[in-house]
Amino acid sequence: AQTVTQSQPEMSVQEAETVTLSCTYDTSENNYYLFWYKQPPSRQMILVIRQEAYKQQNATENRFSVNFQKAAKSFSLKISDSQLGDTAMYFCAFVNTNAGKSTFGDGTTLTVKP
Amino acid sequence: KAGVTQTPRYLIKTRGQQVTLSCSPISGHRSVSWYQQTPGQGLQFLFEYFSETQRNKGNFPGRFSGRQFSNSRSEMNVSTLELGDSALYLCASSTGLAGHNEQFFGPGTRLTVL
Repeated sequence: AQTVTQSQPEMSVQEAETVTLSCTYDTSENNYYLFWYKQPPSRQMILVIRQEAYKQQNATENRFSVNFQKAAKSFSLKISDSQLGDTAMYFCAFVNTNAGKSTFGDGTTLTVKP
Repeated sequence: KAGVTQTPRYLIKTRGQQVTLSCSPISGHRSVSWYQQTPGQGLQFLFEYFSETQRNKGNFPGRFSGRQFSNSRSEMNVSTLELGDSALYLCASSTGLAGHNEQFFGPGTRLTVL
């Protein structure tokens, strides 16, 4: 069974600064995807960034980037130039491409302060 | 394109009753996944339907069931409701199987069991 651990229940950052959210996972699978999802206070979950396990290059989407360390089973999210709209709960998710089951971490609540 | 819609948005039931939740995916999406979100257990995968067939199932009792129609709309049913079933139920749709594709989430149905 897969497990996903987000060790930081809450974090805060000043507007315009950089913050890193951590995520570790445990699996014996080789084929999988990793995702970061954002759930703002309005509750609609949206995808932030996706990483295929077979790709060594770290995924980047504008101000969001990941540090994917496959051997260490680590998948952290870096948010640069934090904005007030980044305030949300962030979930790290693992998807086994063979079984198709998604496993989510418990989430990190990020607050961006003005 | 319209996003994923879920009905109803809020629901109050009593123990022992049954409930049916509905999810309409984004047009063209063939996969619908269901998740239960609670403060204590986080986000847990219930099941995924693709082309009217259940493709994956999480670790939930048989009281939780679902189905998908030919137009990809999906329903989830919970029978003999328990207090612990109170949660936000999210559905997510994707073009193909969730294990390979980005999922788009609906706003959720907030179920309260009294």
